[in-house]
Formats: sequence, C-alpha cells, structure tokens
Amino acid sequence: KNQVEQSPQSLIILEGKNCTLQCNYTVSPFSNLRWYKQDTGRGPVSLTIMTFSENTKSNGRYTATLDADTKQSSLHITASQLSDSASYICVVSSEYGNKLVFGAGTILRVKS
Amino acid sequence: KAGVTQTPRYLIKTRGQQVTLSCSPISGHRSVSWYQQTPGQGLQFLFEYFSETQRNKGNFPGRFSGRQFSNSRSEMNVSTLELGDSALYLCASSLAGEITSTDTQYFGPGTRLTVL
Repeated sequence: KNQVEQSPQSLIILEGKNCTLQCNYTVSPFSNLRWYKQDTGRGPVSLTIMTFSENTKSNGRYTATLDADTKQSSLHITASQLSDSASYICVVSSEYGNKLVFGAGTILRVKS
Repeated sequence: KAGVTQTPRYLIKTRGQQVTLSCSPISGHRSVSWYQQTPGQGLQFLFEYFSETQRNKGNFPGRFSGRQFSNSRSEMNVSTLELGDSALYLCASSLAGEITSTDTQYFGPGTRLTVL
C-alpha cells in the first residue's frame, strides 16, 4: 500500500536552532516528492520539489534531501525563526494509481 | 500578481444540503486542483481540472463533483452533505502541468465548511 510517514509528529525548538524533519515513503512508482509549509489558517506553500535524480534542493534556510534507494527524505531548517512555526507536509507523487500520497505532517513550534 | 482566491471563506450548512465552492486561479494558470483537509485524514486529493476537463480524480464518492470554466475558474459541488464533510477545502492552481508534474502548485486560503 502506498504510504507516506512523517516524523516526528510534533517538535518544539528554540529560536536560532536547527532541526530536521523526516519523511519515509513506500509510494511506487515514484514521480516526485514535495515539501509544503502550512501556517495555521492558510493554504500550504511549496518549499521544494524533488525528482528521482535530485538528492538535495535548497530554498533559503530550508534544505531537502532525497534518498530514492531507501525511500527517505528529510527537510532541514537552519537557524530557525519564530515564523517557521507551522505544519510541514510531505507529498509523494506517482504516475499510476493513487497519484498523490500525503503525509500527516509535522507540527513545528519555534519558541523564543 | 494576485494569488489564488476562494469564496466563500466560511460556510455553515446542514446535513442533506448541497454546497458550491468557487476558486479563481492565478492569472495564466490553467490547471486547478481541489483538496480536502481534515484533522483526522489530513490532506486528500479530490480532483484536477485542465482546459475544462477533469484530468485526474481522487478516491471520493460521486457526491463530490467539480467543473472548470473557459476562464480557468473552477467550482466544486458537494451534494447531500454529511457531517463528515466538515473540512477545509483547498484549491490550488499551476501553469499547466498535471498534479504529478514538477509545476509549482499555488494554494488558496481555503473554504472552511461546517456541516451541522
């Protein structure tokens, strides 16, 4: 069964610290993997999109990695800010069957 | 450039009624997709429209339907509302690529539907 699992479920860190969010998937065949940031009460915002051949992609202080062999991705946030407090959602696409498989998200809270 | 807009932002309906939600994509975007988000199920894909045709469909019952107009604006309709349909309904637009492409999807703020 195609699944996307994210960990941890929630995380609290101090402002200025780094953190890493995990996304493991069983989706096959794999098309691409996206990370979204969703602030409370708003729609998701795309952070990165990675295809099979890409293993690292950055967007400012956000860096996503992809290991297609182990079917794992991570999102690393550097020098966190209060505005990073949000839900981070991993989505894996497949060309066949269930085309979009969503993770349940990681809720990040950055404290001052 | 204006972002994706959704109307209404909030809606309260009772069981058995039907509802229509509207989405205006970013100017020039021709693909519009719809999603349901609930605390229990998270985000789920409903359907995607391109050039007034449904191009992809998720695993939702036929009570959920949609359409797209020639100006790329889209509507989704839910008939015979159930309590479990209470959710945030999100619309996203992209230039032209399918939902599985690498086109960036731009989401609207959503419509919060409450079914009593």
